[in-house]
Amino acid sequence: ILNVEQSPQSLHVQEGDSTNFTCSFPSSNFYALHWYRWETAKSPEALFVMTLNGDEKKKGRISATLNTKEGYSYLYIKGSQPEDSATYLCAWNGGSQGNLIFGKGTKLSVKP
Amino acid sequence: NAGVMQNPRHLVRRRGQEARLRCSPMKGHSHVYWYRQLPEEGLKFMVYLQKENIIDESGMPKERFSAEFPKEGPSILRIQQVVRGDSAAYFCASSPPSGQFGTQYFGPGTRLTVL
Repeated sequence: ILNVEQSPQSLHVQEGDSTNFTCSFPSSNFYALHWYRWETAKSPEALFVMTLNGDEKKKGRISATLNTKEGYSYLYIKGSQPEDSATYLCAWNGGSQGNLIFGKGTKLSVKP
Repeated sequence: NAGVMQNPRHLVRRRGQEARLRCSPMKGHSHVYWYRQLPEEGLKFMVYLQKENIIDESGMPKERFSAEFPKEGPSILRIQQVVRGDSAAYFCASSPPSGQFGTQYFGPGTRLTVL
């Protein structure tokens, strides 16, 4: 069974805190790792697609790293803001055409 | 450029009825993917289609579920003789011709409730 695990399941932080969460995925047959941001009642919004071991991507205060050999990716948010409150999903593509395998997400709540 | 459109956003059906969910991909996108989110679960892949072709249906239940993406018009996910266990949120995503391994752009989902 191919599983993508995300931790923690939920996270509560204060505005201004920096935070990070983890995505673990199978290290075999790796093609791509995706991060999405999903606000309630909206569409999941693509943040990053990462394909190479050692990749680092950045978008504003959000960044991500990738280790394909050990099968994990970290998402970092620097100086969290209330508008960062959302569920952050990672999805692994193991080469089965377009089949993305999603984790259950990390739900982030940022208190003002 | 309009995003991925799904309709209806909410659909209520009684057991035994048919549900038809529509997905219009982003302009220029020829790859469509359907995912399902059951209560308390993550998104699960169902099917991947290109125009007039099913590429991967490994996540589709063997019975009652079918999907199409015709040459013209939206992609349709059809569920025949719905049961209570089909109640879920169904999401469609699309990607451009170049990249079934690239970003998939998601629609807002259709929430199906089976009474």
